Order: sequence, then C-alpha cells, then structure tokens
Amino acid sequence: GAVVSQHPSRVICKSGTSVKIECRSLDFQATTMFWYRQFPKQSLMLMATSNEGSKATYEQGVEKDKFLINHASLTLSTLTVTSAHPEDSSFYICSADIPWTSGDTTDTQYFGPGTRLTVL
Amino acid sequence: DAKTTQPPSMDCAEGRAANLPCNHSTISGNEYVYWYRQIHSQGPQYIIHGLKNNETNEMASLIITEDRKSSTLILPHATLRDTAVYYCIVRVFGRWNYQLIWGAGTKLIIKP
Repeated sequence: GAVVSQHPSRVICKSGTSVKIECRSLDFQATTMFWYRQFPKQSLMLMATSNEGSKATYEQGVEKDKFLINHASLTLSTLTVTSAHPEDSSFYICSADIPWTSGDTTDTQYFGPGTRLTVL
Repeated sequence: DAKTTQPPSMDCAEGRAANLPCNHSTISGNEYVYWYRQIHSQGPQYIIHGLKNNETNEMASLIITEDRKSSTLILPHATLRDTAVYYCIVRVFGRWNYQLIWGAGTKLIIKP
C-alpha cells in the first residue's frame, strides 16, 4: 500500500504557542489530503480537506484561522495549530488520496501514523 | 452522521476466521463501502473496499449483500496482531468532495 508519513509523531507545547504538523506522501503524488482529529476513545472526525495549490476546505465548526492548512506541493501538506490551548490536545491524523486514475477502482485514502499533541 | 452500524465489540479465537458485520441500509447506488482498521494509537490502515461485487485481497474478503444494505468483512485466519478497531465506512459526497464518515467501529479482540 501507499505510504504516508507524519512529523512529529508526538509534541508537547505550552499554551499560546503554535505547532506545525507535516504530512507527506512518500511514494505517490496526492492532489488531495485530509486532516482528522481523534479524541480518546472516539472515532475520527474530519477537520478539513486540503487540495494542492488551493485553499483548504474546512468542515463546519472547525476554525480556519486556528487550524492553518497549507498544501504547497503534491507530496506535502502542513497543519499549523495556532495559539494552542489544552482543549486542542488530541491525536491529529492526515491521509492522502490516491485518485482512481492511478489504476484503482476508486479513490482510496491512505493514512499517516498520527501526531499526538499535548498542550500544557 | 455515519451511514453504518456495527457491533461495538467482538471476540475471535486465534486461527479462526473473523467475520465482522456492518449494516448500511441507507447506502446509495454509487456509494462505496470501505473497511479500515486502527490499532491503538496508530493511524488507520486500509483493508479493502467494494461497490457491489465481493472483493478479496491479501488481507481480507468483503462480502456485500445483493441489496447492498449490509456487508461482512472476513479475516480468514485471525492472528493476535489483528486485534484492533475495525471501521466500516460508506464513502459519501460531503460539502465539497467525497469523504469518509467514520462511525464507532467494532473492537475486535483475538484471543489465543
């Protein structure tokens, strides 16, 4: 399967600081990447969809000024949590989409290993 | 809201086939069924997907009923490493694009 990496895997920061998380597709080009958040013992919640070269589209209830997403190339998307607060502590996971034109029957999302963010 | 319902948990003996059911009675004709699994504190791992035909790959088989209102994921010879939360997902068109809407999943525990 396709490989998606995330960096860092774990980060601890002070309240009020900003944290950047990188998501890379290692062996394929991804025109679309997705950012999810997962709280303990809960399922994944989609935060935003990131398209290369254009603005990200955010789900309802997700503050675009707080969660800045940049998708500057076909292999890299970044999520910056600005002015982080303890309630932003969560597991952040990205995924990259392999479109059906790559030979698959339909789009398939491949996920990164996740980033554990703890805000003190 | 998720379009799927799954049992919250299941047990299976090591070496046996694990059959995980999923109901998706409101699925539309062009919506695919995807299965992922998530081992604790890791990113989800893609398993398989299908539209209306049964599918098989190196990891699992996916059986979709003829009316497409339910499906079953089959892990043919479960190992302890297959212990994970398994998510059955219907891919829908959201506000802007196709999305995976995640439900609660089934926690599968493989017992020695």
